[in-house]
Amino acid sequence: QSMLTQPPSVSAAPGQKVTISCSGGRSSLGNYVSWYQQLPGTAPKLLIYDNNKRPSGIPDRFSGSRSGTSATLGITGLQTGDEADYYCATWDSSLSGVAFGGGTKLTVL
Amino acid sequence: EVQLLESGGGLVQPGGSLRLSCAASGFTFSSHAMTWVRQAPGKGLEWVSAISGSGSNTYYTYYADSVNGRFTISRDNSKDTVHLQMSSLRAEDTAVYYCAKGVNYGDYSGLQYWGRGTLVTVSS
Repeated sequence: QSMLTQPPSVSAAPGQKVTISCSGGRSSLGNYVSWYQQLPGTAPKLLIYDNNKRPSGIPDRFSGSRSGTSATLGITGLQTGDEADYYCATWDSSLSGVAFGGGTKLTVL
Repeated sequence: EVQLLESGGGLVQPGGSLRLSCAASGFTFSSHAMTWVRQAPGKGLEWVSAISGSGSNTYYTYYADSVNGRFTISRDNSKDTVHLQMSSLRAEDTAVYYCAKGVNYGDYSGLQYWGRGTLVTVSS
């Protein structure tokens, strides 16, 4: 069973920077990683795809990187509106399917 | 404007069946892979199934282990609709089911467009 591991929660003050990690095995994080933001009661929103690309309309406060079998989402200039759940995802070759991380709850103190 | 609209959710008894549909508009539907993702109440996202676009002569389908053999994904390009036929439903299938489309034709994990979701409740 593939697993992408994320910290359950992270927190930081407004204006600060936070990073969220996503770790997995070679069969999973050997492929492109995406990151999603989900506000309460809404559908997920794509923030990052192909490890570090932003869809149109996503501010450059959001960034993605990948190194080996780990990926990281960075958010700078934190705003209260960034409080949400964040998920990483990737195609897992061993499963022939997509694996999502367990999600990280971001609190902006 | 890309739009995805799910329908077909509802209350069903354990062991029952349900067919979800996702009507798409605003893009060349036949060319794009389509994906179903679900979220149980208070839980995280779980990928369910995906179907390839018309890049090849064959449509490839993919399923999570948890639904393989019980769910069937299909598409009707004449109606720009993707379906998820669910059978032998269990309580643990209770979730909001989202339809999603990737950034590019063959994207399965970079899902840029999502519907609002449809709630499936499996309970007696």
